[in-house]
Amino acid sequence: QQQVKQSPQSLIVQKGGISIINCAYENTAFDYFPWYQQFPGKGPALLIAIRPDVSEKKEGRFTISFNKSAKQFSLHIMDSQPGDSATYFCAASRDSMEYGNKLVFGAGTILRVKS
Amino acid sequence: KAGVTQTPRYLIKTRGQQVTLSCSPISGHRSVSWYQQTPGQGLQFLFEYFSETQRNKGNFPGRFSGRQFSNSRSEMNVSTLELGDSALYLCASSLRGQGPYGYTFGSGTRLTVV
Repeated sequence: QQQVKQSPQSLIVQKGGISIINCAYENTAFDYFPWYQQFPGKGPALLIAIRPDVSEKKEGRFTISFNKSAKQFSLHIMDSQPGDSATYFCAASRDSMEYGNKLVFGAGTILRVKS
Repeated sequence: KAGVTQTPRYLIKTRGQQVTLSCSPISGHRSVSWYQQTPGQGLQFLFEYFSETQRNKGNFPGRFSGRQFSNSRSEMNVSTLELGDSALYLCASSLRGQGPYGYTFGSGTRLTVV
């Protein structure tokens, strides 16, 4: 019940295209779903996050779509740029003192944007 | 403001030794969490400290331990190192004690066990 499954494992997109990464979770108690971006030699950096009371959240070229009934959420990167080439992780957590600040991460998607 | 600082950045240890990694959180952040990142297992939660108390622990053997000091700085220790402990160890800090909002990761300590 703690898993977050992420796909695809790797993705190659042409510059200007749309990158789509999908995640599915099992634990219905999860109520916070962030996406992280990680460049080589760096720690993950928060990109965008969503709560299950909304179906979509957009920040610049990044959009999260959330489907509560299907227990799935996805990241869309519009107008993908070579600088977006990185590893992307979805994650999930619960907003409770007992759960603390633990994140359960997906396995990651290596995105390469070809110029 | 300064980010999360992890030291050292790189470390090479021999099997059977022990190692201590350090994490200085963002000023004012009281929660510090540790994660292990490996190609095979991905990012896995090790433990979390809030106000010097361990609040949460992941599924790791007792060889992995940590502590937090009154200034919120944290250390993690791995005793009797095994080859499989080779990984990037990441520390993250957040202001609140509830929910990983505003979680900021450091750049990690790359541990290699030979």
